Amino acid sequence: GEDVEQSLFLSVREGDSSVINCTYTDSSSTYLYWYKQEPGAGLQLLTYIFSNMDMKQDQRLTVLLNKKDKHLSLRIADTQTGDSAIYFCAENRSGGSYIPTFGRGTSLIVHP
Amino acid sequence: DGGITQSPKYLFRKEGQNVTLSCEQNLNHDAMYWYRQDPGQGLRLIYYSQIVNDFQKGDIAEGYSVSREKKESFPLTVTSAQKNPTAFYLCASSHQGTTNEKLFFGSGTQLSVL
Repeated sequence: GEDVEQSLFLSVREGDSSVINCTYTDSSSTYLYWYKQEPGAGLQLLTYIFSNMDMKQDQRLTVLLNKKDKHLSLRIADTQTGDSAIYFCAENRSGGSYIPTFGRGTSLIVHP
Repeated sequence: DGGITQSPKYLFRKEGQNVTLSCEQNLNHDAMYWYRQDPGQGLRLIYYSQIVNDFQKGDIAEGYSVSREKKESFPLTVTSAQKNPTAFYLCASSHQGTTNEKLFFGSGTQLSVL
């Protein structure tokens, strides 16, 4: 199976909160990341969380980590049309190189 | 401004042809990466390099080749052996040597087959 799993689509109304979920498999991952990709562009790091934390807040973004269930979520408060993008969850692989492994990405669609 | 530059933005390949995608960074990063993105399949690692003159295969290296002669540059060649090359290719770079590898991405190259 995949190392990192995400649902493919999420549709929300402008002004509502969005919650994007992710599950990962490597229990020894030390950092977990959320990246954003706008159409036709590269990925941009949004936020990350260290594995000994269970929550991190950064303005409209809240990351929750349940290490026991290997579950990561990204909550976007007051979602705007500019938040429409693909959101990728990533974990760093254990071992020497710590190269992030990415999920398939969740397409967030924000409608008026 | 520091950043990572990919060129060209769009590239077309004829059957049997090799094509090379350019990636340059001025962030003084040690590590560089190439990913392939297909719709609904996320990012798959092709090759990575942690130091000049050294590189390692990723998950889907077959049909691709790279070089790392300079710290700033990590070109990717898509060879004729790659039978399904149509995809969006992303180059990235990072500092190396920590457990928190934050990647900086270029804006990508869309490769299509004629």
